[in-house]
Amino acid sequence: QVQLVESGGGVVQPGGSLRLSCTASGFTFSTYYMHWVRQAPGKGLEWVAVISYEGRNKYYADSVKGRFTISRDNSENTLYLQMNSLRAEDTAVFYCARQLGYCGGGNCHQDYWGQGTLVTVST
Amino acid sequence: QSVLTQPPSVSAAPGQKVTISCSGSSSNIGNNFVSWYQHLPGTAPKLLIYENNKRPSEIPDRFSGSKSGTSATLGITGLQTGDEADYYCGTWDTSLSAWVFGGGTKLTVL
Repeated sequence: QVQLVESGGGVVQPGGSLRLSCTASGFTFSTYYMHWVRQAPGKGLEWVAVISYEGRNKYYADSVKGRFTISRDNSENTLYLQMNSLRAEDTAVFYCARQLGYCGGGNCHQDYWGQGTLVTVST
Repeated sequence: QSVLTQPPSVSAAPGQKVTISCSGSSSNIGNNFVSWYQHLPGTAPKLLIYENNKRPSEIPDRFSGSKSGTSATLGITGLQTGDEADYYCGTWDTSLSAWVFGGGTKLTVL
């Protein structure tokens, strides 16, 4: 069965860095686009970034552009999110999700999600 | 401020029907497929509807989706207390080259 397990969350000071991981199993990871989505306390879901199956194409939300980097290691079935220059407003539960379809064609969605990992940016 | 607009909350009695609207523009809903997600904070979001009106096999037919122009609607019939959750619409925004979610709608089953 499809499983996505996030890890790497924790407490970090403002301005600091953190790298999240999402380990995938139960499907051929290298053939799927993958997303990161977050939810800040008391707020709704916010899309963060997406990466193509081979890692060549990456898109980011304006709120994280230039600070966060999405990447993947298909040999390890793992998705990453490198987060730099962290701010208090980045405090959130971060989810990884698998994409079905092709967004460039206007037809895509996320069909499986992980349980999330909590990132807290605080002094 | 979300690109897609949803009502913050809806409520109805058990057994009744509720609809949740999602309004966007030509760069997102107007030209792309819409999906809907059910989410209880701290748990994995669940896909309810994709391609505007299709349901994954494990989702009961009490849940339905539709789209017209730049708006989409999620319908839930035969409400159960277990349906209490936050519901989000989502789609790709071609102009932004970004996935966009609605602000979320909290469903209360009275």
